Amino acid sequence: SYELTQPPSVSVSPGQTARITCSADSLPDQFAYWYQQKPGQAPRLLIYKDTERPSGIPERFSGSSSGTTVTLTISGVQAEDEADYYCQSADSSGSYVFGTGTKVTVL
Amino acid sequence: QLQLQESGPGLVKPSETLSLTCTVSGGSINSSRYFWGWIRQPPGKGLEWIGSIYHSGSTYYNASLKSRVTISIDTSQRQFSLKLNSGTAADTAVYYCARGSGGFDPWGQGTLVTVSS
Repeated sequence: SYELTQPPSVSVSPGQTARITCSADSLPDQFAYWYQQKPGQAPRLLIYKDTERPSGIPERFSGSSSGTTVTLTISGVQAEDEADYYCQSADSSGSYVFGTGTKVTVL
Repeated sequence: QLQLQESGPGLVKPSETLSLTCTVSGGSINSSRYFWGWIRQPPGKGLEWIGSIYHSGSTYYNASLKSRVTISIDTSQRQFSLKLNSGTAADTAVYYCARGSGGFDPWGQGTLVTVSS
């Protein structure tokens, strides 16, 4: 299996841009997904297939991919965006893996 | 709107089997477009995929748990289940069920299972 590494924490001021990376030594040829989790809640899907946004997710959340790194960008951060964020992908054998998680703090 | 709900004992004794059921409502559990998964989260820690099952019954498990895990599905009851044998304190976690299609969406609210005597 493989691991997806994220920075443990990111701090950002309201209105600024937060970028959260997710990297692997050798990311399989699979899509990446991003989740937001607030305390006491289940994770919520933010981004699917690297860059797509489900209905109901604000436009300030976007995803990108380059090589073995995928990035979640939160543009114009709001206080309500303070949460834990996880990336997730799969390998060709049908196994799934989550990233190590990033705590976003809004200053 | 599809909803998932986990149910099962909140306390399991060490060495015993952890058993949970996820009930699906508001949509079909038979669709070939999706699979059904279990994910857990120890207190204060990250997410760990446990395993997945398709409506056909095909299963995929996390290699680190494979020897202890069984996931099954009962389409007539719109339920799928998790059994984790030989529980230890390390299995204490919030357990989530979710619908899968590459990613996982939606998720159940989660249920805390504590392994303790």
